[in-house]
Amino acid sequence: QQQVKQSPQSLIVQKGGISIINCAYENTAFDYFPWYQQFPGKGPALLIAIRPDVSEKKEGRFTISFNKSAKQFSLHIMDSQPGDSATYFCAASKSGGYNKLIFGAGTRLAVHP
Amino acid sequence: GAGVSQSPSNKVTEKGKDVELRCDPISGHTALYWYRQSLGQGLEFLIYFQGNSAPDKSGLPSDRFSAERTGGSVSTLTIQRTQQEDSAVYLCASSPLPSTDTQYFGPGTRLTVL
Repeated sequence: QQQVKQSPQSLIVQKGGISIINCAYENTAFDYFPWYQQFPGKGPALLIAIRPDVSEKKEGRFTISFNKSAKQFSLHIMDSQPGDSATYFCAASKSGGYNKLIFGAGTRLAVHP
Repeated sequence: GAGVSQSPSNKVTEKGKDVELRCDPISGHTALYWYRQSLGQGLEFLIYFQGNSAPDKSGLPSDRFSAERTGGSVSTLTIQRTQQEDSAVYLCASSPLPSTDTQYFGPGTRLTVL
């Protein structure tokens, strides 16, 4: 019930291509779904997040698509750049009190020039 | 302003020794979280602090793990009698309020138990 499953484990994309990372959750009480970006030697940093009242959220080249009935959400990186090469984590949490994030296993993205 | 800082950045210890990991959250942030990131895995929640109290310790893997927070600021995670499976990166995050969505992470402490 607490798991968040993320795929793929690693991804190689050519510069200018679209990177797509998928996550699935089980707990229907989750109502906050962020994506974090982590560069080597750094802590994760919030990239973009969505709540279930919308099916899509876009910020620049980054878009979250959310499918409540399927309990899935995905991150799309348009026009991928070498600087986007990092590890991406999806996460989920439920409202009420504090924000205990349940993370996916992460996707290591490499964008080749 | 200054972000979340953690020390040491790297710690190598021998099996059976005790270690202390320190987290300095962003000034004024009342909520503090510890996570563990094992090789090839996602972040695993360990403990949550609201001020100096820890209402959620559910993620601590065993009684060898403990944490405290003093003055509503600095937090220390202590691992007693370390085991090789404790090797991981330990991350601390803070947020202005418990209900705040965004958590600000420190760079982590890489712990290696030989």
